[in-house]
Amino acid sequence: AQTVTQSQPEMSVQEAETVTLSCTYDTSESDYYLFWYKQPPSRQMILVIRQEAYKQQNATENRFSVNFQKAAKSFSLKISDSQLGDAAMYFCAYRSSQGSGYALNFGKGTSLLVTP
Amino acid sequence: DTGVSQDPRHKITKRGQNVTFRCDPISEHNRLYWYRQTLGQGPEFLTYFQNEAQLEKSRLLSDRFSAERPKGSFSTLEIQRTEQGDSAMYLCASSLKVVAPYNEQFFGPGTRLTVL
Repeated sequence: AQTVTQSQPEMSVQEAETVTLSCTYDTSESDYYLFWYKQPPSRQMILVIRQEAYKQQNATENRFSVNFQKAAKSFSLKISDSQLGDAAMYFCAYRSSQGSGYALNFGKGTSLLVTP
Repeated sequence: DTGVSQDPRHKITKRGQNVTFRCDPISEHNRLYWYRQTLGQGPEFLTYFQNEAQLEKSRLLSDRFSAERPKGSFSTLEIQRTEQGDSAMYLCASSLKVVAPYNEQFFGPGTRLTVL
């Protein structure tokens, strides 16, 4: 089974600064998908950004970008110009391209604190 | 609101009682997923439906757990003879099966279960 590791339980960033959240994963597959999800306090989880493993170009979504290193099995999330509303739990997730269900395999999460 | 909804949002029960949760997916979504999230952990996959067919079950889904999606719309998750270890947030997600590189899963707000 694929494992997803987020080694930073908590991170803190000042408003308007940049922060990078780390994620590594273990897989023997060559084709898969990676995601970052945001879970604000007492609110539902929403997708922040996704990356297809077959794409070499790093995904970007406005202030959010990833650094995808396939050989190193690393998938970090960079948040630029941090805002108070970015405070949340961030989960890295892996999804196989094989099988029928495409269940997401999550890491333990990183709690991001944004200070004024 | 056309997102994924779950009912109830909170449930407190005594050990040994049965509980049932409901999930209403986004209306056109034919795939539905159940996850369990314990404190300090990321969500863990429990089971998955495509229309009314339950296609995948995790080893976490013990015999005390049963899930249904009778008409391919809403789903129920029942836990029989609850144990304190069942205390968790139960998340539902839905997605649309499309011919595309991936299909985004949209999450509901979850049902928080506390077993006393």
